[in-house]
Amino acid sequence: EVQLLASGGGLVQPGGSRRISCTASGFTFSTYAMSWVRQAPGKGLERVSGITGSGDTTYYADSVKGRFTISRDNSRNALYLQMNSLRAEDTAIYYCAKADCGGDCKVLNYWGQGTLVTVSS
Amino acid sequence: DIQMTQSPSTLSASVGDRVTITCRASQSISDWLAWYQQKPGKAPKLLIYRTSSLESGVSSRFSGSGFGTEFTLTISSLQPDDFATYYCQQYENFSTFGQGTKLEI
Repeated sequence: EVQLLASGGGLVQPGGSRRISCTASGFTFSTYAMSWVRQAPGKGLERVSGITGSGDTTYYADSVKGRFTISRDNSRNALYLQMNSLRAEDTAIYYCAKADCGGDCKVLNYWGQGTLVTVSS
Repeated sequence: DIQMTQSPSTLSASVGDRVTITCRASQSISDWLAWYQQKPGKAPKLLIYRTSSLESGVSSRFSGSGFGTEFTLTISSLQPDDFATYYCQQYENFSTFGQGTKLEI
C-alpha cells in the first residue's frame, strides 16, 4: 500500500524559513517523480514544485521560484521542500504527491495527508 | 502560464442525476488533462488522466472527454459519495489546476 506521510509544518514568521518532509513507503521511491502541491485555506490547488525520480531535474511554479527548493533522498525514501523568505500568501496545507512515472511527470496518483504551514507574525 | 477555468463553480444536483463539469484551457493542451476529486479535510484523489483514461479502482460512472481547450467530466447517476469538489489539471506545461467545482446536494 502506498503511503505518503508529510511532516514539519507549523507557524513561521514572515521572512522566515521552514523545511517540510515527506516519507514514502509501499513503492520503489526512486522510480517515481514527486511533487509538492499546496492549498491555501478555503482555496484551490497549486502545484509548487516537482522533481524527477532520480532527482536530477526540478521544477517550480513562478510564485516560489528562487525561494523554495525541492530535493529528495532516495536512500531514505524521503522528499523535502525547503522554503525560504516565507510570505503570508505561502500559508497553506502542503501535500506531497507521487507521480505516475519517473520523468517530467505530473499526473499525481497518490497524495499524502498534508502538513499545514502558517506564515504569520 | 496556462490558465484553467472550470464551470460551474458550484453545482446543485440530486442522487441519480447525470452531471457535467466543464474545464477550459487558455491555450491548447492537447489531451494532457486530469481530473481529481477532493472531499472536505482530505487529500485529492485522481479520477481520470489523459482526458479520458479512468484511474484504476475509480467507478465507471466517471468519464471524461475533450481535446485542445475544452474538456468535460461527466458523472452518470450520482451517488451520495460523489458529492465533493472536483478539479481539472493541465499537465502540458508544468501544471495548473482549475479553481474547482463544488458538487452539492
